[in-house]
Order: sequence, then C-alpha cells, then structure tokens
Amino acid sequence: AQSVTQPDIHITVSEGASLELRCNYSYGATPYLFWYVQSPGQGLQLLLKYFSGDTLVQGIKGFEAEFKRSQSSFNLRKPSVHWSDAAEYFCTAGGTSYGKLTFGQGTILTVHP
Amino acid sequence: DVKVTQSSRYLVKRTGEKVFLECVQDMDHENMFWYRQDPGLGLRLIYFSYDVKMKEKGDIPEGYSVSREKKERFSLILESASTNQTSMYLCASSFRGEGSPLHFGNGTRLTVT
Repeated sequence: AQSVTQPDIHITVSEGASLELRCNYSYGATPYLFWYVQSPGQGLQLLLKYFSGDTLVQGIKGFEAEFKRSQSSFNLRKPSVHWSDAAEYFCTAGGTSYGKLTFGQGTILTVHP
Repeated sequence: DVKVTQSSRYLVKRTGEKVFLECVQDMDHENMFWYRQDPGLGLRLIYFSYDVKMKEKGDIPEGYSVSREKKERFSLILESASTNQTSMYLCASSFRGEGSPLHFGNGTRLTVT
C-alpha cells in the first residue's frame, strides 16, 4: 500500500537554527512529492515539489528538499528558521493524473525566540 | 492566484442532521477533492471528482456523499451527521495533469453535538 511517514510529530527549534523535517514514502514507483505548510486556522500552502531531475529542489520561503531514492526519503530543510515558520508541515506523495495525494501525519514546528 | 472558497469557516450541527459543505474554485480545475483533517492522522481523502458529475471514493467515504453539478463547485454531504464526524474539512482542486499540485481552501471546522 502507498504510504507517507513523517517520523516526528513535533519539533522545537530556536529562531535562527537550522531545520530538517523528515519524510519517507512507500510507493510502487517514484511518486510526485510535495511539501505543504499549514499556518494556524489556514488551508495548506504548497512549499515545493519534486517530479524528476535535480534531486535538490528549492521552494518558497527559503525552504529546500532533497530527494533520495535509495532511502525513499524527501526531507525538508531550512538553514535558518524564522518565528513565522511555526506551523504544521505535511509531506505528500502522488502518482496519478487524478491528483490523488497521500499525506503524512504532519509535523508541528514550534520556534522559540 | 487560485482561489478555493469554502462557504463556512465554522459549523455546529446536531446529531442526525443533514449537512452540506460547499466548495467553489475559480481556476477551471478539473479535479476537486474533499479531505478530512484530524490531529495525528494527517489528511484523509473522503471523495474526489475528476469531472462534472463524476465522483470516486477516497479512503474514508463512509457516511459521506458528494455532488458535482458544475465544474467549479463540489459539495460534501453528511446524510446523517454523527459526533465522530466532528473534524476539519478541507476542499482542494487541481488541474488534470500528472503531478499537478493541489490548491486548498481554508477549511470548515464542523462540530456535531
């Protein structure tokens, strides 16, 4: 069965520190991979996406993610976290033209001043 | 910018009531989706539609139905609301092409008492 796993339910970092959010997927073939962010009381906003090619993808708000086929991972990174990055982050994967996505459980990011 | 509008931000309904959640998108997207979001479970797909009058069950369709009479509008129907349907409901839309990202509404928080 297709699945996406985010091992960390909650991460706390200090402002200015680096960040890495983990994501592992299980799919029959390499899926399309996305990271979304959800601020409190809001819908989900697309941060970045991976389809093929360069395994390091850049997104909005200074985020990047690296696709590693051998590890079935697509981890999200940011070199220096800002207080406004506090939110919930979702890793998702899909593989059909209907656009169905499988979501991870989400990782809540708390940023300390 | 794509706009996905959900008609209500908050709804409170009684057990057994018939509930309608409405979603409208303004980007001529073929695909539309209804997800349910619960803490620790991520987003789970209830139903999706890839064309007018077409619908497909997602992962948790029990207790729900949908209607798509016009391309821009996708309605989620709870035939007889129950307390275990208290949740955040998110609507999303996308183009038909493979890997097209989803665009989300801000969600409807439904409480069934």
